[in-house]
Amino acid sequence: AQKITQTQPGMFVQEKEAVTLDCTYDTSDQSYGLFWYKQPSSGEMIFLIYQGSYDEQNATEGRYSLNFQKARKSANLVISASQLGDSAMYFCAMREGLNRDDKIIFGKGTRLHILP
Amino acid sequence: DGGITQSPKYLFRKEGQNVTLSCEQNLNHDAMYWYRQDPGQGLRLIYYSQIVNDFQKGDIAEGYSVSREKKESFPLTVTSAQKNPTAFYLCASSMDGSYNSPLHFGNGTRLTVT
Repeated sequence: AQKITQTQPGMFVQEKEAVTLDCTYDTSDQSYGLFWYKQPSSGEMIFLIYQGSYDEQNATEGRYSLNFQKARKSANLVISASQLGDSAMYFCAMREGLNRDDKIIFGKGTRLHILP
Repeated sequence: DGGITQSPKYLFRKEGQNVTLSCEQNLNHDAMYWYRQDPGQGLRLIYYSQIVNDFQKGDIAEGYSVSREKKESFPLTVTSAQKNPTAFYLCASSMDGSYNSPLHFGNGTRLTVT
Protein backbone atom coordinates (compact mmCIF):
# COMPACT_ATOMS: atom_id res chain seq x y z
CA ALA A 1 0.00 0.00 0.00
CA GLN A 2 1.23 3.48 -0.77
CA LYS A 3 2.25 5.51 2.23
CA ILE A 4 1.91 8.87 0.48
CA THR A 5 -0.91 9.42 -2.01
CA GLN A 6 -1.23 12.43 -4.26
CA THR A 7 -4.41 11.94 -6.25
CA GLN A 8 -4.06 14.87 -8.66
CA PRO A 9 -1.56 14.11 -11.44
CA GLY A 10 -2.11 17.56 -12.94
CA MET A 11 -3.94 20.79 -12.16
CA PHE A 12 -4.67 23.99 -14.08
CA VAL A 13 -5.34 27.12 -12.05
CA GLN A 14 -5.89 30.74 -13.04
CA GLU A 15 -3.25 33.20 -11.88
CA LYS A 16 -4.06 34.93 -8.56
CA GLU A 17 -6.42 32.15 -7.47
CA ALA A 18 -5.70 29.97 -4.46
CA VAL A 19 -4.86 26.33 -5.10
CA THR A 20 -4.98 23.24 -2.90
CA LEU A 21 -2.79 20.24 -3.63
CA ASP A 22 -3.96 17.05 -1.96
CA CYS A 23 -1.84 14.64 0.04
CA THR A 24 -2.91 11.74 2.22
CA TYR A 25 -0.54 9.56 4.18
CA ASP A 26 -0.51 6.28 6.02
CA THR A 27 1.51 5.55 9.13
CA SER A 28 1.10 3.82 12.48
CA ASP A 29 3.81 5.96 14.10
CA GLN A 30 2.82 8.70 16.54
CA SER A 31 5.87 10.77 15.63
CA TYR A 32 6.26 11.79 12.02
CA GLY A 33 7.00 14.75 9.81
CA LEU A 34 5.33 15.85 6.61
CA PHE A 35 7.09 17.92 3.96
CA TRP A 36 6.24 19.59 0.68
CA TYR A 37 8.74 20.18 -2.10
CA LYS A 38 8.53 22.15 -5.34
CA GLN A 39 10.37 21.02 -8.45
CA PRO A 40 10.48 23.59 -11.30
CA SER A 41 11.34 22.50 -14.82
CA SER A 42 15.01 23.16 -14.07
CA GLY A 43 14.95 20.11 -11.82
CA GLU A 44 16.05 21.28 -8.39
CA MET A 45 13.93 20.25 -5.40
CA ILE A 46 12.97 23.20 -3.22
CA PHE A 47 11.82 22.59 0.35
CA LEU A 48 8.61 24.57 0.98
CA ILE A 49 7.06 23.68 4.31
CA TYR A 50 7.12 21.24 7.22
CA GLN A 51 4.42 19.96 9.59
CA GLY A 52 5.17 17.79 12.60
CA SER A 53 2.67 15.26 13.88
CA TYR A 54 2.53 16.96 17.28
CA ASP A 55 2.08 20.46 15.90
CA GLU A 56 -1.36 21.72 16.83
CA GLN A 57 -1.33 24.63 14.44
CA ASN A 58 -1.12 24.44 10.69
CA ALA A 59 2.30 25.38 9.33
CA THR A 60 2.61 28.53 7.23
CA GLU A 61 5.49 29.92 5.16
CA GLY A 62 4.63 33.06 3.22
CA ARG A 63 2.04 32.14 0.58
CA TYR A 64 2.25 28.46 1.51
CA SER A 65 0.21 26.84 4.24
CA LEU A 66 -0.36 23.24 5.15
CA ASN A 67 -3.89 22.13 5.96
CA PHE A 68 -3.13 19.37 8.46
CA GLN A 69 -6.02 17.09 9.39
CA LYS A 70 -4.47 14.42 11.57
CA ALA A 71 -7.55 12.24 12.05
CA ARG A 72 -8.05 12.07 8.30
CA LYS A 73 -4.28 11.64 7.70
CA SER A 74 -4.36 14.51 5.30
CA ALA A 75 -1.68 17.17 4.69
CA ASN A 76 -2.83 19.37 1.83
CA LEU A 77 -0.67 22.23 0.56
CA VAL A 78 -2.46 25.54 0.01
CA ILE A 79 -0.87 28.20 -2.17
CA SER A 80 -2.56 31.58 -1.88
CA ALA A 81 -2.64 34.14 -4.70
CA SER A 82 -0.94 31.88 -7.22
CA GLN A 83 1.73 33.27 -9.53
CA LEU A 84 3.06 32.13 -12.91
CA GLY A 85 6.27 31.10 -11.17
CA ASP A 86 4.32 28.56 -9.11
CA SER A 87 4.03 26.34 -12.18
CA ALA A 88 6.02 23.26 -11.21
CA MET A 89 5.83 19.72 -9.92
CA TYR A 90 4.93 19.44 -6.22
CA PHE A 91 5.82 16.47 -4.02
CA CYS A 92 4.48 15.53 -0.62
CA ALA A 93 6.82 13.50 1.60
CA MET A 94 6.77 11.84 5.02
CA ARG A 95 9.43 10.89 7.52
CA GLU A 96 8.41 8.45 10.27
CA GLY A 97 9.83 8.82 13.76
CA LEU A 98 10.24 5.13 14.53
CA ASN A 99 11.50 4.30 11.07
CA ARG A 100 14.87 2.79 11.80
CA ASP A 101 15.86 2.61 8.18
CA ASP A 102 15.53 6.38 7.91
CA LYS A 103 13.66 6.40 4.62
CA ILE A 104 11.82 9.47 3.48
CA ILE A 105 8.79 8.50 1.44
CA PHE A 106 7.69 10.66 -1.48
CA GLY A 107 4.39 10.78 -3.30
CA LYS A 108 4.22 10.62 -7.09
CA GLY A 109 3.70 14.35 -7.38
CA THR A 110 1.19 16.83 -8.81
CA ARG A 111 2.05 18.99 -11.80
CA LEU A 112 0.62 22.46 -11.31
CA HIS A 113 0.05 24.80 -14.27
CA ILE A 114 -0.75 28.44 -13.53
CA LEU A 115 -2.63 30.10 -16.40
CA PRO A 116 -2.19 33.83 -17.15
CA ASP B 1 26.57 30.08 1.40
CA GLY B 2 25.88 26.58 2.69
CA GLY B 3 24.46 24.06 0.30
CA ILE B 4 24.81 20.89 -1.71
CA THR B 5 26.83 20.82 -4.89
CA GLN B 6 26.33 18.19 -7.53
CA SER B 7 28.61 17.98 -10.51
CA PRO B 8 28.48 17.86 -13.40
CA LYS B 9 25.02 19.13 -14.35
CA TYR B 10 24.99 17.02 -17.53
CA LEU B 11 26.93 13.81 -18.08
CA PHE B 12 27.17 11.67 -21.18
CA ARG B 13 28.65 8.17 -21.23
CA LYS B 14 28.88 5.20 -23.51
CA GLU B 15 27.16 2.00 -22.52
CA GLY B 16 29.43 -0.32 -20.56
CA GLN B 17 31.37 2.44 -18.81
CA ASN B 18 31.20 3.17 -15.10
CA VAL B 19 30.54 6.78 -14.18
CA THR B 20 30.80 8.61 -10.86
CA LEU B 21 28.50 11.46 -9.84
CA SER B 22 29.82 13.91 -7.30
CA CYS B 23 27.91 15.24 -4.28
CA GLU B 24 29.44 17.61 -1.73
CA GLN B 25 27.72 19.41 1.15
CA ASN B 26 28.96 22.11 3.51
CA LEU B 27 25.91 22.09 5.77
CA ASN B 28 27.60 19.84 8.35
CA HIS B 29 24.76 17.35 7.89
CA ASP B 30 25.15 13.79 9.11
CA ALA B 31 22.82 12.07 6.64
CA MET B 32 23.13 11.99 2.85
CA TYR B 33 20.97 10.40 0.17
CA TRP B 34 20.89 9.57 -3.53
CA TYR B 35 17.64 9.53 -5.49
CA ARG B 36 16.86 8.67 -9.07
CA GLN B 37 14.07 10.38 -11.00
CA ASP B 38 12.78 9.23 -14.38
CA PRO B 39 10.75 11.57 -16.65
CA GLY B 40 7.37 12.42 -15.15
CA GLN B 41 8.02 10.19 -12.16
CA GLY B 42 8.61 10.58 -8.45
CA LEU B 43 11.84 9.99 -6.56
CA ARG B 44 13.26 6.56 -5.85
CA LEU B 45 15.90 6.05 -3.18
CA ILE B 46 19.15 4.45 -4.33
CA TYR B 47 21.45 4.62 -1.29
CA TYR B 48 21.67 6.59 1.92
CA SER B 49 24.22 7.18 4.65
CA GLN B 50 23.53 8.27 8.19
CA ILE B 51 27.16 8.50 9.27
CA VAL B 52 30.66 8.45 7.84
CA ASN B 53 31.89 5.01 6.71
CA ASP B 54 28.38 3.57 6.79
CA PHE B 55 25.64 3.41 4.17
CA GLN B 56 22.50 1.40 3.40
CA LYS B 57 20.78 0.27 0.24
CA GLY B 58 17.60 1.99 -0.76
CA ASP B 59 14.83 0.65 -2.95
CA ILE B 60 16.80 0.45 -6.23
CA ALA B 61 20.46 -0.11 -5.27
CA GLU B 62 21.26 -2.73 -7.92
CA GLY B 63 23.87 -1.49 -10.37
CA TYR B 64 24.97 1.39 -8.13
CA SER B 65 27.68 1.82 -5.50
CA VAL B 66 28.55 4.57 -3.02
CA SER B 67 31.19 5.53 -0.48
CA ARG B 68 31.15 7.86 2.53
CA GLU B 69 34.73 8.43 3.52
CA LYS B 70 34.16 12.05 4.54
CA LYS B 71 31.15 13.73 6.11
CA GLU B 72 30.94 16.25 3.28
CA SER B 73 31.08 13.84 0.37
CA PHE B 74 28.84 11.03 -0.91
CA PRO B 75 29.76 10.05 -4.49
CA LEU B 76 27.56 7.70 -6.49
CA THR B 77 28.99 5.30 -9.08
CA VAL B 78 26.68 4.08 -11.79
CA THR B 79 28.16 0.78 -12.92
CA SER B 80 27.79 -1.04 -16.22
CA ALA B 81 25.51 -3.48 -14.38
CA GLN B 82 22.78 -0.83 -14.14
CA LYS B 83 20.43 -1.75 -17.00
CA ASN B 84 18.76 1.63 -17.54
CA PRO B 85 21.14 4.28 -16.19
CA THR B 86 19.79 7.26 -18.15
CA ALA B 87 17.96 9.38 -15.57
CA PHE B 88 18.07 12.49 -13.40
CA TYR B 89 20.04 11.93 -10.19
CA LEU B 90 19.44 14.00 -7.07
CA CYS B 91 21.64 14.10 -4.01
CA ALA B 92 20.24 15.28 -0.68
CA SER B 93 21.29 15.74 2.91
CA SER B 94 19.60 16.22 6.25
CA MET B 95 20.87 17.28 9.63
CA ASP B 96 20.16 13.85 11.05
CA GLY B 97 17.66 11.03 10.82
CA SER B 98 15.01 12.59 13.03
CA TYR B 99 11.50 12.90 11.68
CA ASN B 100 11.50 16.69 11.76
CA SER B 101 14.67 17.06 9.72
CA PRO B 102 13.95 18.09 6.11
CA LEU B 103 15.99 17.00 3.14
CA HIS B 104 17.99 19.64 1.30
CA PHE B 105 18.70 18.82 -2.32
CA GLY B 106 21.42 19.60 -4.83
CA ASN B 107 20.56 20.78 -8.34
CA GLY B 108 20.88 17.31 -9.81
CA THR B 109 22.91 15.57 -12.50
CA ARG B 110 21.27 14.50 -15.74
CA LEU B 111 22.99 11.32 -16.95
CA THR B 112 22.61 10.09 -20.50
CA VAL B 113 24.05 6.73 -21.51
CA THR B 114 24.09 5.76 -25.18
